[in-house]
Amino acid sequence: DQQVKQNSPSLSVQEGRISILNCDYTNSMFDYFLWYKKYPAEGPTFLISISSIKDKNEDGRFTVFLNKSAKHLSLHIVPSQPGDSAVYFCAASQQLSGSQGNLIFGKGTKLSVKP
Amino acid sequence: EAQVTQNPRYLITVTGKKLTVTCSQNMNHEYMSWYRQDPGLGLRQIYYSMNVEVTDKGDVPEGYKVSRKEKRNFPLILESPSPNQTSLYFCASSSAGLLYNEQFFGPGTRLTVL
Repeated sequence: DQQVKQNSPSLSVQEGRISILNCDYTNSMFDYFLWYKKYPAEGPTFLISISSIKDKNEDGRFTVFLNKSAKHLSLHIVPSQPGDSAVYFCAASQQLSGSQGNLIFGKGTKLSVKP
Repeated sequence: EAQVTQNPRYLITVTGKKLTVTCSQNMNHEYMSWYRQDPGLGLRQIYYSMNVEVTDKGDVPEGYKVSRKEKRNFPLILESPSPNQTSLYFCASSSAGLLYNEQFFGPGTRLTVL
């Protein structure tokens, strides 16, 4: 059973508008969440993270929101740019339970930002 | 230049022929990990290592082995490859203290097992 779910395989957004990528998780022991971005033919690159003690973390155009009660997180990109077109992976881990090394990824959402 | 290198980048092999994919990092990172990426399945962790001589299974360890004899190297070994191990493999590393914030990924190794 998937512990981290990204239910939208793809998302298309107009340049300048907001992109919202969603992620759900089932394991209530997850306490640290990350977003990675991946271009074709390259390895993933870290984008932004959030600890379960927070509900929001912001870095420039990127904001991650965490709703623990709903076991849901989202990545907002504002404004979206064509260079943001990539596959975005949500990931989760259990930092406090001794399983820090085990990182669980979602299947990814392919974002296309149209000029 | 800080980087994670993987070799080979592309490999076509046959069922049962042992192979090793090397991974090396020059950032003195404690943590290293192997992932495979498959269409429709995203990234799945195979093995990880928190430090030298410390390795643990990820989500899909069957059919793989790893070793961590030195801090900079974390080879992935397929003793008897099978076609279902055809995939795109990524190695990654990070400083354990940064909790993956700066997890650097290698460029990937595309493996085909016939």
